[in-house]
Amino acid sequence: QSALTQPPSASGSPGQSVTISCTGTSSDVGSYNYVSWYQQHPGKAPKLMIYEVSKRPSGVPDRLSGSKSGNTASLTVSGLQAEDEADYYCSSYAGSSNLVFGGGTKLTVL
Amino acid sequence: EVQLVQSGAEVKKPGESLKISCKGSGYSFTSYWIGWVRQMPGKGLEWMGIIYPGDSDTRYSPSFQGQVTISADKSITTAFLQWSSLKASDTAMYYCARPGLGYCSSTSCRGGAFDMWGQGTMVTVSS
Repeated sequence: QSALTQPPSASGSPGQSVTISCTGTSSDVGSYNYVSWYQQHPGKAPKLMIYEVSKRPSGVPDRLSGSKSGNTASLTVSGLQAEDEADYYCSSYAGSSNLVFGGGTKLTVL
Repeated sequence: EVQLVQSGAEVKKPGESLKISCKGSGYSFTSYWIGWVRQMPGKGLEWMGIIYPGDSDTRYSPSFQGQVTISADKSITTAFLQWSSLKASDTAMYYCARPGLGYCSSTSCRGGAFDMWGQGTMVTVSS
C-alpha cells in the first residue's frame, strides 16, 4: 500500500491555528475511522496525539483536534505554541491487518 | 509504570544477522499487541508489522514480509525484530510500540493506536 499524503511543511504564528491534511484512498482513510496522529520532536519517539479520527488520549490538550471527510483526515492545532513545533504523522488502518503512515509534516511556529 | 525498553544501538556489516529486543513491563504483556516501526535517517515512519504475544499471531506489512521476522517470548515479556542478512538499506531507527488505545482484540488490531513507544534502537549497517 502507498503512504498517505501529507504536505511536507506547515507554519503559523503563536496563537494562530494550523491545519494539516492527510489524504488517503477509499481503501484506507475513506473506509475506516481508524486514523491516528503522532507528534515527533527531534531525536524523540513519536507521541500519540489523536486516535480514531478525533479522540484525544489523556493529557493531550484540547487545542488539538482531528476530523475526517471522505478520503482526507485533518489535524488542527489551535492557539499555536512554541512546543507544538515538531513533525506530525498521520496513520490509518488499511485493511487486511495493515497500517499505513503518512509521509509527515514539519510544523514550524514562526 | 508502563514502559517498553529497547535494546541498545547496533553497528553491523552487510550480510550479518541481527536480533533487537523490546521488553514490556508494567502491564499484561500477553494482552496487548506490539508493533514495529522503521524510521530511516531523515525520513518518515513506516509500519513493519505487529505481534500478539499471547499466541504469537503475527502480521507483516507487505513491504516487510520476508525481509524481517517478528517474534515474542512471553516468559520474558519481550518482543523481537530480526534480520538474517542485513543490507545497508536497513540502516534506520527501529521503534517498538504498543497499541493501547483504539480497537484491538486478541485476533485483530485494525484500529489500534500506538500510545506507548520504546525509546528506539538505531541500527547501522556499513562495510
